[in-house]
Amino acid sequence: QVQLVQSGAEVKKPGASVKVSCKASGYTLTSYAMHWVRQAPGQRLEWMGWINGGNGNTKYSQKFQGRVTITRDTSASTAYMELSSLKSEDTAVYYCARGAATTSLAFDIWGQGTMVTVSS
Amino acid sequence: SYEVTQPPSVSVSPGQTARITCSGDTLPKQYAYWYQQKPGQAPLLLVYKDTERPSGIPERFSGSSSGTTVTLTISGVQAEDEADYYCQSADSSGSYVLFGGGTKLTVL
Repeated sequence: QVQLVQSGAEVKKPGASVKVSCKASGYTLTSYAMHWVRQAPGQRLEWMGWINGGNGNTKYSQKFQGRVTITRDTSASTAYMELSSLKSEDTAVYYCARGAATTSLAFDIWGQGTMVTVSS
Repeated sequence: SYEVTQPPSVSVSPGQTARITCSGDTLPKQYAYWYQQKPGQAPLLLVYKDTERPSGIPERFSGSSSGTTVTLTISGVQAEDEADYYCQSADSSGSYVLFGGGTKLTVL
């Protein structure tokens, strides 16, 4: 069964960093792109960036450039998203989503989401 | 910067047809994708490459494209279709993803 399982909820203080993991099962991590999307409470989906399945190259939304890092550990079939210099506005559910085989821009499998709360 | 725009809300009665539009200057050059999101759940891919439907998605969900506007059509709307719907596309390079603001579908 193809699925993405994310790490648990986090509570962080402003200025800290958070690293969310996304473990892939049922397929080979390096065969598909992995995207990260977040959603603040009651707000729209917001794309953060992605890592190319084949070569591991990354691209980030301009909004998060300099604060976000997407990596992967192929031996563990796990992708990671680290966001630094956290602010209260970063409080959101963070999702990993697989880029489909037919087009890496179609997100066909999603993780369950990880709630990150930033509060002093 | 690029953006795609959706109406905030659409309302239909059960059995009717709902049409949700998404407009943006990149849409003639980049494909559109549609997602359904119900409260507390991750989004679900409904349509990819403007008109294609993943396996398992009911035929009542369909996509179309015309110029700078793409449309998600839900035929024979059911109560269970009440959800938020998001349009997604990319910038002109195809490397940066854009989401619309989402449309809340209310089934009256």
